[in-house]
Amino acid sequence: SYVLTQPPSVSVAPGKTARITCGGNNIGSKSVHWYQQKPGQAPVLVIYYDSDRPSGIPERFSGSNSGNTATLTISRVEAGDEADYYCQVWDSSSEIRVFGTGTKVTVL
Amino acid sequence: QVQLVQSGAEVKKPGASVKVSCKASGYTFTSYGISWVRQAPGQGLEWMGWISAYNGNTNYAQKLQGRVTMTTDTSTSTAYMELRSLRSDDTAVYYCARDRNYGDAFDIWGQGTMVTVSS
Repeated sequence: SYVLTQPPSVSVAPGKTARITCGGNNIGSKSVHWYQQKPGQAPVLVIYYDSDRPSGIPERFSGSNSGNTATLTISRVEAGDEADYYCQVWDSSSEIRVFGTGTKVTVL
Repeated sequence: QVQLVQSGAEVKKPGASVKVSCKASGYTFTSYGISWVRQAPGQGLEWMGWISAYNGNTNYAQKLQGRVTMTTDTSTSTAYMELRSLRSDDTAVYYCARDRNYGDAFDIWGQGTMVTVSS
């Protein structure tokens, strides 16, 4: 089955940029979605189809996808961005959905 | 507003079954599908399966095949997930999420339902 690998943790100072990677075999050929999950809450979609933002998500959140790596970038990080982040793809050959292993973002 | 509201927490014994509901409102239920996702304590997200609210077609994660059944009731815009032969490692928060299919994102999530399996 298709595997998505994320770093377990990323630490970033307020005001700086956080980059969260999501590695998968030829992931650039797939559409990647990103979710933010704060403790005790349901996940929230922050990026869909590689780089689109749902309404209400700040422009500080952006995404890219190429080759074997997709990246979620959070610019001008704020304390409220501290959360777990998950990438997700749809494997068209089996029609299953796959989540990445998750990355905990800590704001220093 | 568009929302998914799930049923309340459950405590079950090993070997029992649980059925979680997910009531949709604010959109045309049959124009979308529903995916079910679970999260064990301290762990990541695990996709369990998908059901079309239009025609009831399903697609289950291989590891749950034979133990899970997803259904919908279009008269009440409600999706259901039943998991049988419960084990302790089924203890998790179970989420429903709106999922149109064909690679669309999960744009709306339910609040989650805690299922505890304990003797």
